[in-house]
Amino acid sequence: EVQLVESGGGLVQPGGSLRLSCAASGFTFSSYSMNWVRQAPGKGLEWVSYISSSSSTIYYADSVKGRFTISRDNAKNSLYLQMNSLRDEDTAVYYCARVIRKESDYWGQGTLVTVSS
Amino acid sequence: DIQMTQSPSSLSASVGDRVTITCRASQGIRNDLGWYQQKPGKAPKRLIYAASSLQSGVPSRFSGSGSGTEFTLTISSLQPEDFATYYCLQHNSYPLTFGQGTKVEIK
Repeated sequence: EVQLVESGGGLVQPGGSLRLSCAASGFTFSSYSMNWVRQAPGKGLEWVSYISSSSSTIYYADSVKGRFTISRDNAKNSLYLQMNSLRDEDTAVYYCARVIRKESDYWGQGTLVTVSS
Repeated sequence: DIQMTQSPSSLSASVGDRVTITCRASQGIRNDLGWYQQKPGKAPKRLIYAASSLQSGVPSRFSGSGSGTEFTLTISSLQPEDFATYYCLQHNSYPLTFGQGTKVEIK
């Protein structure tokens, strides 16, 4: 069974940093690209970042470029999102999602990031 | 960036009704589109991939159609468990973009 479990969310002050993790199981993690997607409270879904299976290709949304860094450790079956210079508008539930043929098929349950003073 | 315009933003329907949700892309995206269902407090769940292929385990009352710039999600006979918010997502090019969502409520 495919499982994606996010962790690392919490309350952080504006300008602060946070590192999210996504632990994968039930599939060969190293063979799949991954996305991060977020959802602000009461709002729609917003794609954040993409990383290919070998980390050779990475994309970011303009809203996070230069502040967020996506990475992965295939030996640990884990995906990461390093978030720096956090802003109020980064407050959201962050989901990791597996990518197959460019589509996001399985999603984790999400981790809440709250940016507030 | 490709813009996805989803309509309606909300609708009220009764159990047994036929429901149609539309997404329009600002440029052609072939069939690079998926449909997702999200219930409150839960992660999105994929219903349709490649515009018209039904995800394994999803009831056959859900169907998708379209190609290019116009796409449709149809629920042939709405069931109580279908009341949720639905999103389209284009994966033709990055940045990926979602439709604004359609909240399906009980009439």
